[in-house]
Amino acid sequence: AQSVSQHNHHVILSEAASLELGCNYSYGGTVNLFWYVQYPGQHLQLLLKYFSGDPLVKGIKGFEAEFIKSKFSFNLRKPSVQWSDTAEYFCAVNAGDMRFGAGTRLTVKP
Amino acid sequence: GAGVSQSPSNKVTEKGKDVELRCDPISGHTALYWYRQSLGQGLEFLIYFQGNSAPDKSGLPSDRFSAERTGGSVSTLTIQRTQQEDSAVYLCASSLVYSEQYFGPGTRLTVT
Repeated sequence: AQSVSQHNHHVILSEAASLELGCNYSYGGTVNLFWYVQYPGQHLQLLLKYFSGDPLVKGIKGFEAEFIKSKFSFNLRKPSVQWSDTAEYFCAVNAGDMRFGAGTRLTVKP
Repeated sequence: GAGVSQSPSNKVTEKGKDVELRCDPISGHTALYWYRQSLGQGLEFLIYFQGNSAPDKSGLPSDRFSAERTGGSVSTLTIQRTQQEDSAVYLCASSLVYSEQYFGPGTRLTVT
């Protein structure tokens, strides 16, 4: 089965800082890629997804992610974070079944 | 339509007792997953059902854990002889094949 690596366990930023969260996966075939977010006390919800086409995908709340096939990566970015972006972020890969990364906790200081 | 539902929302049980957690997936979703999320931890995959195929049980932590999915719809996760380390939030998700998952609200299990 494929595996998913999120290298940053906990990221702390100040408001207006730029964000990039890393995600790498190990699977050589066709994959669908996802980022999920879990705000404190809430359900996991989909942030954005990539199935095919433009490797730069836009999601909700100003987030975007870029699929780089040669690097097996799908990093999440946001140009300017807000305090309300404080949450846990999970990368996921589906190549027939879904596998999640360990998650990255983002803390944005006001 | 309705989302993924789970019951109970909270369960407190004594060490050594058995518990059953229920998941009602979105109608038509062929894939169903169970995960465990402990405080400050990520998502721990437990088990995966896809259609009529044999489930992928590779994530079950011990033989005290089992799950079934009846009629390709509702699923029950059973934990026998619960231990304190079983305390966690148990999440269920469903999806179409290769598509995004929709998560339920979870069952918070506390073993005293």
